[in-house]
Amino acid sequence: AQRVTQPEKLLSVFKGAPVELKCNYSYSGSPELFWYVQYSRQRLQLLLRHISRESIKGFTADLNKGETSFHLKKPFAQEEDSAMYYCALSGLKGDKLIFGTGTRLQVFP
Amino acid sequence: DADVTQTPRNRITKTGKRIMLECSQTKGHDRMYWYRQDPGLGLRLIYYSFDVKDINKGEISDGYSVSRQAQAKFSLSLESAIPNQTALYFCATSVGQGAVGYTFGSGTRLTVV
Repeated sequence: AQRVTQPEKLLSVFKGAPVELKCNYSYSGSPELFWYVQYSRQRLQLLLRHISRESIKGFTADLNKGETSFHLKKPFAQEEDSAMYYCALSGLKGDKLIFGTGTRLQVFP
Repeated sequence: DADVTQTPRNRITKTGKRIMLECSQTKGHDRMYWYRQDPGLGLRLIYYSFDVKDINKGEISDGYSVSRQAQAKFSLSLESAIPNQTALYFCATSVGQGAVGYTFGSGTRLTVV
């Protein structure tokens, strides 16, 4: 079964602390993994995708096929990073996106 | 700018009423989707359409129906609304290749009383 698991509903850190938002997945095949972000009262936006291997707003995520994980990391959190973060996957054929339940990141000053 | 527009933004309706949520896009994308967002449950797919003649059920389609009137329009209907359909509903579009280029609408907050 296709599934995305985000075990943490809420993650609270202080400004400047490292952040890791966990994401594990199950998929029979080779999925494409994404992180989406939703700032307060805004629509979901793509943060990054594993294929591009880029860093956006200081966030990175590495696909670990052995552990079926795609954790999102940032070495130094900023207050403006406070938002809801969703991990998602799709098949490489461009099938529909399947989302995790989301993790709310709170960064305190 | 090309965009995905959802109407209405907010709606309160009574149990048993029929309601339609509309989504239109100027992105030129073939694929359109309806998701609902609930606290603690994330986004769950209701229906999706890969082109005008292609409609598919998502994981939670019961109680919902859709209509793809044109490439640019994808409507979601609740035939007889019930309180547990209270949620934030998002429309999204994507290009044909891969799930790259997903664009979400701003959402419709629906409350069923």
